[in-house]
Amino acid sequence: ETGVTQTPRHLVMGMTNKKSLKCEQHLGHNAMYWYKQSAKKPLELMFVYSLEERVENNSVPSRFSPECPNSSHLFLHLHTLQPEDSALYLCASSQETGQGIKFPYNEQFFGPGTRLTVL
Amino acid sequence: QKEVEQNSGPLSVPEGAIASLNCTYSDRGSQSFFWYRQYSGKSPELIMSIYSNGDKEDGRFTAQLNKASQYVSLLIRDSQPSDSATYLCAGDRDGDYKLSFGAGTTVTVRA
Repeated sequence: ETGVTQTPRHLVMGMTNKKSLKCEQHLGHNAMYWYKQSAKKPLELMFVYSLEERVENNSVPSRFSPECPNSSHLFLHLHTLQPEDSALYLCASSQETGQGIKFPYNEQFFGPGTRLTVL
Repeated sequence: QKEVEQNSGPLSVPEGAIASLNCTYSDRGSQSFFWYRQYSGKSPELIMSIYSNGDKEDGRFTAQLNKASQYVSLLIRDSQPSDSATYLCAGDRDGDYKLSFGAGTTVTVRA
């Protein structure tokens, strides 16, 4: 497979369920991201992992829990979600030089997304 | 204050015309800017990246960057029905690798 893949593509869950979203990148990148896209809103950055270390958590509720076991895989664990969490969840990856060096070529590539519906 | 703002649209253009999309940003430290195309029900697809003032052309697409005015634009020449999509503008945060996205402009090309 090439690019960035995400599974599942669609997920319906109740508020008491626990589920996980999976993302895998085949681009050799070292940074991975979770975004939330709700209708009529800009993409919201949720989490950033650079060199497998979480570097940003944008005030995301604790019912969302990310995991990055290696530079190619990223998970988003979901539990006790609310209906307002229904959205398209997008994973992206990019190449980042790390060590605080600003790299002006942060081309991020997105996976196909998981359409999440919370009942 | 929104970090990246786009003209909200929607924008409707006839086939063969030029579609012009605009974006402004508030972070003077931003260095890199990107245009993504997102078809309905799909994920964003990177179509243009621009880092230097001036124009950058790729096929029917031209991105323009003016850092003094904090303005980025995308021109789509010879618009085709397949160009009908939402276009997202994004800029980095003070030269960092994290991006801020605009809300998107929806373009419809009329056959």
